[in-house]
Amino acid sequence: DAGITQSPRHKVTETGTPVTLRCHQTENHRYMYWYRQDPGHGLRLIHYSYGVKDTDKGEVSDGYSVSRSKTEDFLLTLESATSSQTSVYFCAIMDPSGANTEAFFGQGTRLTVV
Amino acid sequence: DAKTTQPNSMESNEEEPVHLPCNHSTISGTDYIHWYRQLPSQGPEYVIHGLTSNVNNRMASLAIAEDRKSSTLILHRATLRDAAVYYCILRANYGGSQGNLIFGKGTKLSVKP
Repeated sequence: DAGITQSPRHKVTETGTPVTLRCHQTENHRYMYWYRQDPGHGLRLIHYSYGVKDTDKGEVSDGYSVSRSKTEDFLLTLESATSSQTSVYFCAIMDPSGANTEAFFGQGTRLTVV
Repeated sequence: DAKTTQPNSMESNEEEPVHLPCNHSTISGTDYIHWYRQLPSQGPEYVIHGLTSNVNNRMASLAIAEDRKSSTLILHRATLRDAAVYYCILRANYGGSQGNLIFGKGTKLSVKP
């Protein structure tokens, strides 16, 4: 299995509180991604990183920020959690220097905002 | 972004072959066809990918139409463990955001004993 771990795996938090999810990899892949998955929507890209300190927005980035201070860690922060951010969050790593490669996904973090 | 079209759901019997179709009529010449699947309560996992020629690996086979406007993922003998959502994704052969994986809703495969 690819070396990618997400923490925490489950979290319940209150509306308005900040929350940070962590994705850690041991594969030294340059690209890292955060997705969210909700019923009826499949996986939607939130943010991605193409190197240390290099990040960009995905299709559903509002309300989220990310940071990548070292190759192995990609953090997703909800500055002020809302109920609409209740979801399952997946991290992925990939080397898209060419499309002839595969992505590896973490096991997911189930976040509930009450 | 190039789009794919898949049936919402399919059913199969255990130990029978399964053919999962995907249409991608707007595919460009440099797009790779990727398939991922997501088992219940797990993250997606890579299944197979190809460009022009048919591909085989230990999990499945990928049959690509000659005009590349459609493809079919073939599970040769479905098992109960193959029950999952299968995603057909086009991935551009460029770096940066053009190489990102963009998921649709996929096909939910049910396998009956």
